[in-house]
Amino acid sequence: GEDVEQSLFLSVREGDSSVINCTYTDSSSTYLYWYKQEPGAGLQLLTYIFSNMDMKQDQRLTVLLNKKDKHLSLRIADTQTGDSAIYFCAESIGASKIIFGSGTRLSIRP
Amino acid sequence: DTAVSQTPKYLVTQMGNDKSIKCEQNLGHDTMYWYKQDSKKFLKIMFSYNNKELIINETVPNRFSPKSPDKAHLNLHINSLELGDSAVYFCASRKSGRARGTDTQYFGPGTRLTVL
Repeated sequence: GEDVEQSLFLSVREGDSSVINCTYTDSSSTYLYWYKQEPGAGLQLLTYIFSNMDMKQDQRLTVLLNKKDKHLSLRIADTQTGDSAIYFCAESIGASKIIFGSGTRLSIRP
Repeated sequence: DTAVSQTPKYLVTQMGNDKSIKCEQNLGHDTMYWYKQDSKKFLKIMFSYNNKELIINETVPNRFSPKSPDKAHLNLHINSLELGDSAVYFCASRKSGRARGTDTQYFGPGTRLTVL
């Protein structure tokens, strides 16, 4: 079946790196996404990775994809208070459907 | 220049009432979605329309009826509201076709529905 799983909470100290992990089940996914949801707002696309890549870097964000294990991670370097949000992992299924994980709430400690 | 907009932003109503939430996108997309996000932040797809035709209908009570008058609009009508319908409802849109990284879904700001 189609399923995307994430841990629900992550707490890191300001300035440290945050690593949010995700596992998915559909091996035919062509794209995998990370979305950010700030309080009271909708989801915003942060970054994405094509399934034939194993790494993508975008400023403070690094996405790692292990297709064999169906594991996706998002690393945020030098985490700041503005990074506090819920981060959703998502995979594309076919042409129209995207399945979202449960979201990981990232909180930052001073 | 809002891309995906929803109205109202907040909706408080009594059990048993009928209410509608409207969604509009000005991105020229041809596929639109409704999602429900519960209090634990789980995001579940409800419906998807492509060119005004229903293409995804997950297990949703038939009290929920989407309507797409044109490609830019997807409204959600809910009859006989129940306490369990309280949630944040997100509209999203996308350009259909073979999935490409940037052709992902763009979300509206959400409508917080509270049923008393």
